Amino acid sequence: EPEVTQTPSHQVTQMGQEVILRCVPISNHLYFYWYRQILGQKVEFLVSFYNNEISEKSEIFDDQFSVERPDGSNFTLKIRSTKLEDSAMYFCASRGSYRHEQYFGPGTRLTVT
Amino acid sequence: EDKVVQSPLSLVVHEGDTVTLNCSYEVTNFRSLLWYKQEKKAPTFLFMLTSSGIEKKSGRLSSILDKKELFSILNITATQTGDSAVYLCAVGLGKTSGSRLTFGEGTQLTVNP
Repeated sequence: EPEVTQTPSHQVTQMGQEVILRCVPISNHLYFYWYRQILGQKVEFLVSFYNNEISEKSEIFDDQFSVERPDGSNFTLKIRSTKLEDSAMYFCASRGSYRHEQYFGPGTRLTVT
Repeated sequence: EDKVVQSPLSLVVHEGDTVTLNCSYEVTNFRSLLWYKQEKKAPTFLFMLTSSGIEKKSGRLSSILDKKELFSILNITATQTGDSAVYLCAVGLGKTSGSRLTFGEGTQLTVNP
């Protein structure tokens, strides 16, 4: 069964460093998302991406964040200068054109020290 | 502000019991309501509901949506230890190209043998 994959599974970085989280969505999906979940809190929407552009973003998704689909398969989230409060599990999700359920990847745990 | 509220937050039952998990919502631009099961990492899709009163069923799990009263329930019959997980309710919002999900806090279900 096709699934969303994410790498790395765990990333530790120092405050102020740039990180890139990578996702490979399900191959025929066209809509892509990033969410995050701070330990013990709700899953929160960050950004949605369709047709090579951001279609919606939350207040969390400020100028430090960017997304890119550099080729036909990868979808990346970049955090330019990480802060302690960026420590969270980051989930990528994708969905197809006609069905609206989103399928989630296993997540990348980002730890900022 | 869009709100999704789940209850109870935590539930402990014995194998074989039947459980009902609740999700209420107050949102603008409702599109759909989704249930996910979260074990260690990624939320796994269970159901998507868009119409009131139509039950969705998969094995021992079933769910129904009431768009007038703005809530949904997830039923699990004859629970097994493998049902232990956090069950997340999410509401899909907005225009077709976005359809961001807003999540509730989740219900932690523990099924004891």
